[in-house]
Amino acid sequence: SQTIHQWPATLVQPVGSPLSLECTVEGTSNPNLYWYRQAAGRGLQLLFYSVGIGQISSEVPQNLSASRPQDRQFILSSKKLLLSDSGFYLCAWSVRYQNTEAFFGQGTRLTVV
Amino acid sequence: GENVEQHPSTLSVQEGDSAVIKCTYSDSASNYFPWYKQELGKRPQLIIDIRSNVGEKKDQRIAVTLNKTAKHFSLHITETQPEDSAVYFCAASNGYSSASKIIFGSGTRLSIRP
Repeated sequence: SQTIHQWPATLVQPVGSPLSLECTVEGTSNPNLYWYRQAAGRGLQLLFYSVGIGQISSEVPQNLSASRPQDRQFILSSKKLLLSDSGFYLCAWSVRYQNTEAFFGQGTRLTVV
Repeated sequence: GENVEQHPSTLSVQEGDSAVIKCTYSDSASNYFPWYKQELGKRPQLIIDIRSNVGEKKDQRIAVTLNKTAKHFSLHITETQPEDSAVYFCAASNGYSSASKIIFGSGTRLSIRP
């Protein structure tokens, strides 16, 4: 069966520090991968999505970047965090070319102080 | 690109009554419409979905309707129970596209009053 791992679960980082959140998927090949951010009490904002290795589409201009170095690995990064980067970050995957649901990781609660 | 609007943002209903959440989408190419439930501090989880070749789908107390012409779809929860309290998200995507992405609505916080 397929599983998605996202870590860490919580993170407190100072302003100006770098960020690296990692997500890996097991049990499937060629998944679509997504990074979403959820601000407190808000909706799910799509940050990045990827349909293949090295293929990243950015949805909103921001202080973040994403990379997909391997088929089932998706990384969210920042060189210098801002206070506004605080939020709940969710990685998700779906089966490519099929109309099926997205499966979410457990999420990372990031607090920038 | 796709834009999904969701209403209301908050909804409070008496236990046992029905709750309805509505969404509209902008991209006529969208053909898959899932609904997710998110409990506090947890990941969203799928509760029901509908594809564009179907107008209505039901699963026990939950039903979803889709009007492709008007580009809107709705979630109906009947006989609400306390455990239905959560945030609900609608979403839209074109799963068959090579550039598939899933766009979510802004969410509805549903509270069930005892």
